[in-house]
Amino acid sequence: QQQVKQSPQSLIVQKGGISIINCAYENTAFDYFPWYQQFPGKGPALLIAIRPDVSEKKEGRFTISFNKSAKQFSLHIMDSQPGDSATYFCAAVYPSGGSNYKLTFGKGTLLTVNP
Amino acid sequence: DAGVIQSPRHEVTEMGQEVTLRCKPISGHNSLFWYRQTMMRGLELLIYFNNNVPIDDSGMPEDRFSAKMPNASFSTLKIQPSEPRDSAVYFCASSLFGTGDGYTFGSGTRLTVV
Repeated sequence: QQQVKQSPQSLIVQKGGISIINCAYENTAFDYFPWYQQFPGKGPALLIAIRPDVSEKKEGRFTISFNKSAKQFSLHIMDSQPGDSATYFCAAVYPSGGSNYKLTFGKGTLLTVNP
Repeated sequence: DAGVIQSPRHEVTEMGQEVTLRCKPISGHNSLFWYRQTMMRGLELLIYFNNNVPIDDSGMPEDRFSAKMPNASFSTLKIQPSEPRDSAVYFCASSLFGTGDGYTFGSGTRLTVV
């Protein structure tokens, strides 16, 4: 299954709160898990990424938690700010033959941070 | 580098017309991807190229869709004839071959077929 299931579809958080977005997968061939942030009228932009041999990665206010046995990973945004309001996509990369890779996306989460 | 450049930003066309979307990848990137984004289906990979060669076009929805990459700095996605259900935002992305990461997306082309 080349799918990544993402939840929730939408999320409203107050400024200063914690935003949590969850993703799950089935394919154990996935070997890289990036998160993308997309603002209206723009393309997705890489936010943070993790490999499955690491359980957590933190960059500033953004943290990925990875549970390999459960095949789940999540994005935590600490001290959420109105400027974080965007659509967030989890994704997974898998080898598709030779040195080729394919990137598959979750359906996205629309995050709104109220001031 | 200016990033991945797509043109046009917006395209409105009538059903049955030919539409051509253009993409200039980041210099030095040798993998190029075309994605389609809709509310219902999210981001779907249509086709990707490595070193200008199409590797996987299994995501191309129908024969009406075709893509070319004549050189390392240019790719096109063509829809002929276009239909209203093709209305979507089409993104081009590029990366370094064999890395599996570092995808950079363009700002997309919003296509409306009326």
